[in-house]
Amino acid sequence: DQQVKQNSPSLSVQEGRISILNCDYTNSMFDYFLWYKKYPAEGPTFLISISSIKDKNEDGRFTVFLNKSAKHLSLHIVPSQPGDSAVYFCAARPERGSGGSNYKLTFGKGTLLTVNP
Amino acid sequence: NAGVTQTPKFRVLKTGQSMTLLCAQDMNHEYMYWYRQDPGMGLRLIHYSVGEGTTAKGEVPDGYNVSRLKKQNFLLGLESAAPSQTSVYFCASSYSLGTQYFGPGTRLLVL
Repeated sequence: DQQVKQNSPSLSVQEGRISILNCDYTNSMFDYFLWYKKYPAEGPTFLISISSIKDKNEDGRFTVFLNKSAKHLSLHIVPSQPGDSAVYFCAARPERGSGGSNYKLTFGKGTLLTVNP
Repeated sequence: NAGVTQTPKFRVLKTGQSMTLLCAQDMNHEYMYWYRQDPGMGLRLIHYSVGEGTTAKGEVPDGYNVSRLKKQNFLLGLESAAPSQTSVYFCASSYSLGTQYFGPGTRLLVL
């Protein structure tokens, strides 16, 4: 059972426009969420995170929105640049947990973003 | 700082062979993790360690063993490789519950 779902395997946008990547989760114990970016033949790199006590976190061109009631988060990239073309993974974990459960990140399958010049 | 490094970068094994993947980090992180990534799948946690001398099972631990004899190193072992273990393996480390930093990956092909 997929606990973190990224239903769009791919997304294509024009340079300068907004990219919106979506993520849904089912586990109500998740209260800390992260986005990672991955280029081919490289490891994932951390992009931005959000705790469930917030509904928005912004870092430069990247903004993550969290809707707890809908168990949905989204990553907005404005403006999109060709260098943003990569696979984006949504990940989640409990902020607190017993037995080390809060150390474990659960990842979605990823969305391939292509930004066209 | 090199961050998180993984050895080897690529390996081909025959079914039944054994091998060890090495992960090293120079950030003095307590926590280390091994993930695998398969086509069309997200990263899945194999094993993790919350400190030197400790290990714990993740989501998909079967067929793998790990050891954390030194704080900076986390080894992933395959005792008898199977084609189902063909994958890309990523190691990560973190300071407590902070951001996990990933290595570049090891691509393993089991024939």
